[in-house]
Amino acid sequence: AQSVAQPEDQVNVAEGNPLTVKCTYSVSGNPYLFWYVQYPNRGLQFLLKYITGDNLVKGSYGFEAEFNKSQTSFHLKKPSALVSDSALYFCAVSPATGNQFYFGTGTSLTVIP
Amino acid sequence: GAVVSQHPSRVICKSGTSVKIECRSLDFQATTMFWYRQFPKQSLMLMATSNEGSKATYEQGVEKDKFLINHASLTLSTLTVTSAHPEDSSFYICSARDWANTEAFFGQGTRLTVV
Repeated sequence: AQSVAQPEDQVNVAEGNPLTVKCTYSVSGNPYLFWYVQYPNRGLQFLLKYITGDNLVKGSYGFEAEFNKSQTSFHLKKPSALVSDSALYFCAVSPATGNQFYFGTGTSLTVIP
Repeated sequence: GAVVSQHPSRVICKSGTSVKIECRSLDFQATTMFWYRQFPKQSLMLMATSNEGSKATYEQGVEKDKFLINHASLTLSTLTVTSAHPEDSSFYICSARDWANTEAFFGQGTRLTVV
């Protein structure tokens, strides 16, 4: 069965500090991995994706994520958090074959001024 | 990135009536569209996946006769909530994907309130 886990419901970090939002996955075959961000009462905005190639993926707004096949993880990172980064973050996985998108439960990030 | 427009953004309807939500891909052809439901502070629950010109594939537990999905063209999909009840009140989000892109692009969401 395909699944995505975001073990932390809430992450708090001080402004200027590095942030990490965790994601692990279980999918058959080679996965496509994604991060999306959601602001209140809005749809999801695409941040970045891993398809193949370099394990470190850079995306929008200074975010990056590292694909770790052995640990089946795809953690989202940013070197220096901004207050405006406070939002709900979703990890998603899509099998390389097939149309489905599976989302994690979301992690609420709060950046404290 | 590609733009997906969802309309309306907010709707209030009376119990027993039907509501239609539109999802349009503005600058690409959406071969696949997804409909999600999101409860407060919860993740997105995939309701159904539709490919242009064919019947939608519903996830287990989603009533296809209640949530009618039509994907008649490469730029438009609609979700109709039939005979709405207060428990159908939720945030509904569509997303779309074209054959060339691996990521999906999301609409702004529709807040449905059934009174």
